[in-house]
Amino acid sequence: DIQMTQSPSSVSASVGDRVTITCRASQGISSWLAWYQQKPGKAPKLLIYAASTLQSGVPSRFSGSGSGTDFTLTISSLQPEDFATYYCQQGNSFPRTFGQGTKVEIK
Amino acid sequence: EVQLVESGGGLGQPGGSLRLSCSASGFTFNSYAMSWVRQAPGKGLEWVSGISDSGGSTFYADSVKGRFTVSRDNSKNTLYLQMNSLRAEDTAVYYCARWRTREFEYWGQGTLVTVSS
Repeated sequence: DIQMTQSPSSVSASVGDRVTITCRASQGISSWLAWYQQKPGKAPKLLIYAASTLQSGVPSRFSGSGSGTDFTLTISSLQPEDFATYYCQQGNSFPRTFGQGTKVEIK
Repeated sequence: EVQLVESGGGLGQPGGSLRLSCSASGFTFNSYAMSWVRQAPGKGLEWVSGISDSGGSTFYADSVKGRFTVSRDNSKNTLYLQMNSLRAEDTAVYYCARWRTREFEYWGQGTLVTVSS
């Protein structure tokens, strides 16, 4: 199975900050990487797929980059509604696997 | 608007069975693969199973292979997950999701399964 490792596990940030979350795959996954946002008690929401393609309706302050084994999710200017947990997920091979999550908290 | 509504969760006995359902609306159900993803209390996300648009192909995580069966009824716009030989570690919120096979595009609100005696 491909292991997905996110860092950091949590980050404290203020409104307006630039936040970067990293996801590393245990083996190459080309660009088959997705990012999700999950708020407490809610279902995950797809933000980015194919490493860098923004899902329809997602604000442009979210961006993704990377290929192979190293990927990044960037929130360019953190908004109050962005405080949540973020997960990466590989879509290259079965079983589909997720990172352990990164919690973005209010500083 | 895409809507996915799960049902069938609840308390299951160790070794027992439960069947989850996911009712879909707002899109052409038989044109999309579907999947189940679960989340144990306070934990991360775990992909469980997937099924092609026609139902002809199914996919499972090793943790549920041989115990869970995914199926769909395209005439009823409904996805199912038959869960047998339940274990305590199957306790989780189970989400159904519209699946583009690489990523999970839309998610339901989830249904909680608790396995306990």
